[in-house]
Order: sequence, then C-alpha cells, then structure tokens
Amino acid sequence: EAGVAQSPRYKIIEKRQSVAFWCNPISGHATLYWYQQILGQGPKLLIQFQNNGVVDDSQLPKDRFSAERLKGVDSTLKIQPAKLEDSAVYLCASSFRGSGRSGANVLTFGAGSRLTVL
Amino acid sequence: RKEVEQDPGPFNVPEGATVAFNCTYSNSASQSFFWYRQDCRKEPKLLMSVYSSGNEDGRFTAQLNRASQYISLLIRDSKLSDSATYLCVVKGTNAGKSTFGDGTTLTVKP
Repeated sequence: EAGVAQSPRYKIIEKRQSVAFWCNPISGHATLYWYQQILGQGPKLLIQFQNNGVVDDSQLPKDRFSAERLKGVDSTLKIQPAKLEDSAVYLCASSFRGSGRSGANVLTFGAGSRLTVL
Repeated sequence: RKEVEQDPGPFNVPEGATVAFNCTYSNSASQSFFWYRQDCRKEPKLLMSVYSSGNEDGRFTAQLNRASQYISLLIRDSKLSDSATYLCVVKGTNAGKSTFGDGTTLTVKP
C-alpha cells in the first residue's frame, strides 16, 4: 500500500511571500488532515476533511491559511502571506474510518513539508 | 489548560530499564486513545492503540483510566532503538479531531 505523499519536502521563503503544500492520501482514505508541528511541540490540527467537506477548521488561521480538497482525494494547503511564526513542519495525514477496534481512526502521516520563513 | 498534557522529560535511561510515561486529558467525552512514536525529523507513527481493558504488545503496555482521565505507556527492557519522542493522542467522537500532546522524549543509553 502506498503511503501518504507530500511535496515539497523543504521550502524556504521570505516573510510575506506565499507557499503551497500538496498532499495525496492513502487510496480509499476518506478523511484527510493537515497538522502544523512547531519544533518541540506536538502536531496541532489545522483542518480536517471528510471526503471533500470540511469537518473541523477551528484552528486554521483563516486570514492567511487556506486549504482545499476539491475532488475528495488530494489536497492543497496554502499560506499567504507567510509570517516568521509559520516556520514549522506541515504534516498531512489520512485515515480510514473502519469499524471495530482494529485500525479504526488510526492516522497515517506523510513525511511532512518543512517550511522555513526568513 | 492544554487538552492533552504529557511530562516532556527528557527521560534518560540505561538499556534494560523499565520506563513509564503518563498523559492526562481534559475532555471526559474522549473516546479513542493512542500512543504514537516520532523519531527525530520523521513523521509520527502509530505505536499502539489504548483500550479500556489495557493492552500489551511485546515490551509495551498501555493502560487507560477513564475516571482519572489518564493514559500510561510502560516500556520494559528498554532498547537503544526505543529512543524517540512518544506522543499521546486523544480522539473525541468518530468524526472528532485527534489531539496530540507535546510528547515525552526518551533516550536509552548503552
């Protein structure tokens, strides 16, 4: 089974510039998540999609961050304009909402996109 | 107060030691619980789910205390390869979000 694909792996930009990250989840996984992980902290949920609908975007800074999952498969996260505090790893994850204990609601992460804002 | 709290450590233990990590959560309606492992500069990976009856996977034992809103992870006979950050994860309803703690760092030394 192919894993969660993310690109780019690394990105360095200047503040006030824009950046976009792409994610392709595991085939068949209906739920897709974008997390932000700042150094020394745990991942923080930015947005959760169920198919192409948004389930939770309460912690997404909507003045500068946007995300879409138009066809219910791959997704793009955009930051415009970037701030210094946006320097972090952006992790995409997907899950299959199975039944029973085994594998239910388990998140599988991509390798992440490391953003440095100068 | 954070939704999920962990002792950040670091825990520095010798090979063969037994080490325990604790995690508390604030939402009493939480339904699913997990431990993830994250190696340096890598993505988090599922270590084990935590069930109400407690569960064991080799050298790893996870326990859940719903009354105290507390989860634990016990690692017996520590190996060098166990060195990593261990993330406690709490999930609400089926459609609810998964909330991560900030992790506990373990270093196992020869």
